Order: sequence, then structure tokens, then C-alpha cells
Amino acid sequence: QKEVEQNSGPLSVPEGAIASLNCTYSDRVSQSFFWYRQYSGKSPELIMSIYSNGDKEDGRFTAQLNKASQYVSLLIRDSQPSDSATYLCAVIGAGGTSYGKLTFGQGTILTVHP
Amino acid sequence: NAGVTQTPKFQVLKTGQSMTLQCAQDMNHNSMYWYRQDPGMGLRLIYYSASEGTTDKGEVPNGYNVSRLNKREFSLRLESAAPSQTSVYFCASSEVGAKRTGYTFGSGTRLTVV
Repeated sequence: QKEVEQNSGPLSVPEGAIASLNCTYSDRVSQSFFWYRQYSGKSPELIMSIYSNGDKEDGRFTAQLNKASQYVSLLIRDSQPSDSATYLCAVIGAGGTSYGKLTFGQGTILTVHP
Repeated sequence: NAGVTQTPKFQVLKTGQSMTLQCAQDMNHNSMYWYRQDPGMGLRLIYYSASEGTTDKGEVPNGYNVSRLNKREFSLRLESAAPSQTSVYFCASSEVGAKRTGYTFGSGTRLTVV
């Protein structure tokens, strides 16, 4: 089992819709969770971080974390064509050899069509 | 602008040639990392340096060496390039542990080995 898994894509949504991106992780004691956005040919850019169970909202983005289910998600409301990118879920381990190291999922390609 | 600077941006090597990828950060971060990104596989950690003077292997270290030259600079060396090392390489930096901040990435080096 991969340490971090994202829902397979690509995901295509119409402009104005809600895009839902999902991620599961295997290390039960992971502490911090991040969503990165990566445009084609560019480097990953941090867009959301979450550490506690529940929801965290930032503008059109909402991150949701459920540690009991080892699940983290990203919702993008009112999706825009400019949101079209690859979204990477990343998890930081809590200790041992995983301490401080980001492990990434394989990414989900999102396309928002007009 | 503050950030992580990588050089070169593009490189073509012949099989068996060697080269060094350079990375420098000006955010006074203690930790630095090298990742490679291949289609459908997300980012995979090659080597990291938790602090100046230390380096450790990541998930895919074979065929690479690193040097933490000082707090700012962390280089990645390919001693004898192979076609399997064709990839996009990203350098990143963070505060120790990175639990609250995640990583900041450089713009990447696109390497082709023929």
C-alpha cells in the first residue's frame, strides 16, 4: 500500500462547480497535511495546510481532515478555469525515519471547463 | 525575491556523463531536500539534509550523491547518468520538522539522459 494515495483522475468539472479531491494516508500518527497545486511545467505551490480534525477554509478552498479514517480532502468551490492544475496531497510523518519528511501522493489532474 | 534557486533549468546528458545540480535558498531554512518527479508518480525523495552538516537517503537514492555545502546550498550529483534518471528534479527547503510550514520548492531542473 502506498503511503499516500489520491483519487485517480483526471477530474473534470464545469466552471462554477465544486471540485472534490481526496487523499488517504497509511501512517496513523502523521501530524500535518498539505495540499499543493502544480501548474504544468511549474513547481508545486502550497495552497492549504491542516493539522487538526475538521474543516479549514481559505477563500474558495476548504481542507477537511479525519484522522480516525486517515483521510484528507480538498474542496474547491466556484471552480475556475485557472484552477486547472495537478493537485498534490502531502503528509509529514510524526517520528522515526518519517520525521519532518513530506511524502506525496501521485497527484490528481483537475480540469475546469468553461 | 526570497526563495529557492535551482540551476540549471534544463540539461541534456549522454549516458555515462556526470553533472551537478545546484540549489540555494535564502530563507535561512535549516532543512533542504531533493525530489524527482516522474509522470504518474508524484514527487519522490532522493536525499535530504535535516541541518547543515548532515545528509540522509530518501526513497530513491541510488545513482545520486549530495553535498550540503553550507546552510544555504545543497547540491545533487549524478556520477554516471542513466536514461532512468531522465526526470524533473526539484529542490526544496523548510524549517526543521516543517510541521506548520511545509516546504518551499525551487523552479525545477528538467534533465534528459540520452
